[in-house]
Amino acid sequence: DQQVKQNSPSLSVQEGRISILNCDYTNSMFDYFLWYKKYPAEGPTFLISISSIKDKNEDGRFTVFLNKSAKHLSLHIVPSQPGDSAVYFCAAIPYGGATNKLIFGTGTLLAVQP
Amino acid sequence: NAGVTQTPKFRVLKTGQSMTLLCAQDMNHEYMYWYRQDPGMGLRLIHYSVGEGTTAKGEVPDGYNVSRLKKQNFLLGLESAAPSQTSVYFCASSYARQTQYFGPGTRLLVL
Repeated sequence: DQQVKQNSPSLSVQEGRISILNCDYTNSMFDYFLWYKKYPAEGPTFLISISSIKDKNEDGRFTVFLNKSAKHLSLHIVPSQPGDSAVYFCAAIPYGGATNKLIFGTGTLLAVQP
Repeated sequence: NAGVTQTPKFRVLKTGQSMTLLCAQDMNHEYMYWYRQDPGMGLRLIHYSVGEGTTAKGEVPDGYNVSRLKKQNFLLGLESAAPSQTSVYFCASSYARQTQYFGPGTRLLVL
């Protein structure tokens, strides 16, 4: 039962354009949502997060939007750069508990064409 | 400040062999985690620890054991490796309910 879903395995965009990566979740009991970026042969690195009580968080070229009624999360990258080419994972943290056990989506491979 | 390091980077095992993966962090984090990543799947939590001397099961714990004898180290053991354990293993650490920092991963091939 995949609670966090990334339905697009890959996405290709032109340099300078906007990249939009999408994530859907099935469980309303998530406290925080995060995006991680992963280059080949490296571990995931944290990119940006959003609390479930907010609908937008921005950090430089990266903006995350949360639509709780649709159980949908998206990451916008503007403008896209070739160095952004990587696999992007969305992840969610359930409410409660002493730990932040992450539940990951399956990832979306972003290719930014020069 | 090395962050999270993992040893070894790559290993080939035969079915039935045992091995231990080592994770070390120098950020004084209380919480540590072991994940596995398989093709077409996200990272799945194997075991985690909320402090020295404590461990708990994650989503896919079968076939693995862990130990956290020192705060900075978290060991993942495979007592009798199986081909289904071929995967990339990632260790992570964090303060309480904060961002997790990941190591570079260990690629394990079980023949």
